[in-house]
Amino acid sequence: DAKTTQPNSMESNEEEPVHLPCNHSTISGTDYIHWYRQLPSQGPEYVIHGLTSNVNNRMASLAIAEDRKSSTLILHRATLRDAAVYYCIRYGAGGTSYGKLTFGQGTILTVHP
Amino acid sequence: ETGVTQTPRHLVMGMTNKKSLKCEQHLGHNAMYWYKQSAKKPLELMFVYNFKEQTENNSVPSRFSPECPNSSHLFLHLHTLQPEDSALYLCASSQDRDSRYNEQFFGPGTRLTVL
Repeated sequence: DAKTTQPNSMESNEEEPVHLPCNHSTISGTDYIHWYRQLPSQGPEYVIHGLTSNVNNRMASLAIAEDRKSSTLILHRATLRDAAVYYCIRYGAGGTSYGKLTFGQGTILTVHP
Repeated sequence: ETGVTQTPRHLVMGMTNKKSLKCEQHLGHNAMYWYKQSAKKPLELMFVYNFKEQTENNSVPSRFSPECPNSSHLFLHLHTLQPEDSALYLCASSQDRDSRYNEQFFGPGTRLTVL
């Protein structure tokens, strides 16, 4: 089972931080947590990924709970361009989910000016 | 061109037509993927190719036939499709399917309409 649970939608104001939660309570010890986003009329794009430690890159930060059963994608200052569907994905390093990105419904993020 | 390109961007076809979707990646990657995104449904993985060999067929009907002549090109041949096959077809590539850092790069997709 490679499922994750995310809220269907969230809203934010421009230039404010956004915290997008994800639950993955059945995650195995070798599964990575990946985040992708899909802007309107585009293919998905990679945002960030991690295994155990918190991760930062130019796009976002990923905070992973100590028990790894949940994680939060943090956009530090939302812009209108960040309005998209955000997908939290368990990337399987073993078993039937090996090598697969299994997309769920994601969270639709709306950013208000 | 850079990244992953897909042609055509839009395609309308009848149920008796035969058409092909093309994907090309300019990233030097060894793994390529076809996904299907239907309205209001999650992306569904269809096929995976790793070093030109098909490693995954996610129970896709035979009216969809993939072809990977080399690591840079991926095709999806379509024949006798049904209206419910109308969807956005996305191609993606990654350095190596087995890589722990399996960042996938997606193309813009082909919007397919079957009449």
